[in-house]
Amino acid sequence: AQTVTQSQPEMSVQEAETVTLSCTYDTSESDYYLFWYKQPPSRQMILVIRQEAYKQQNATENRFSVNFQKAAKSFSLKISDSQLGDAAMYFCAYRGTNTGNQFYFGTGTSLTVIP
Amino acid sequence: EPEVTQTPSHQVTQMGQEVILRCVPISNHLYFYWYRQILGQKVEFLVSFYNNEISEKSEIFDDQFSVERPDGSNFTLKIRSTKLEDSAMYFCASNRGGRGTDTQYFGPGTRLTVL
Repeated sequence: AQTVTQSQPEMSVQEAETVTLSCTYDTSESDYYLFWYKQPPSRQMILVIRQEAYKQQNATENRFSVNFQKAAKSFSLKISDSQLGDAAMYFCAYRGTNTGNQFYFGTGTSLTVIP
Repeated sequence: EPEVTQTPSHQVTQMGQEVILRCVPISNHLYFYWYRQILGQKVEFLVSFYNNEISEKSEIFDDQFSVERPDGSNFTLKIRSTKLEDSAMYFCASNRGGRGTDTQYFGPGTRLTVL
């Protein structure tokens, strides 16, 4: 089964600074999708950013960008100009194309933003 | 923007009782999912549903669980004879299906507490 690893249970960042959250995954597939979801205290999971493995260009969404290293099976999330509202649990998720539609999630990284 | 909704937000039940968790997926979506998140743990896939039948299920989704789409809008998860270890946050998700529409949109979750 696919595994997704987030090695940083907790991270903190000063407001307005940049932080990078790590994610690695294990797969034998060549075509797949990767996601970062944010889960604030309200517990609703919100999509932050999505990457298709066949695209070499790193996805960006405003202050959020990824560093997708396919050979290394690494998918890190960079948050620039961190804001207090970015404080949340961040989950990395994988969806294959030959393993059904289910998502495989990492254990999450709890991000604290320090004013 | 359309959202996945779930009711109730919090359900408390006695061990051995049956519960039904309800979800209204986004209206033009074709694939529906249930995930579970035990407190402090990662989000785990339970089941996916397409074309009025289960398309995939995990080892967690045993005979205690069932899903149904009783009408054109609701998608339900029934847990028979609840156990203490069923206490968790249950997330419903949906996606439209097809290439480029793989992103799953999650509801706010139902917190199930089994006493």
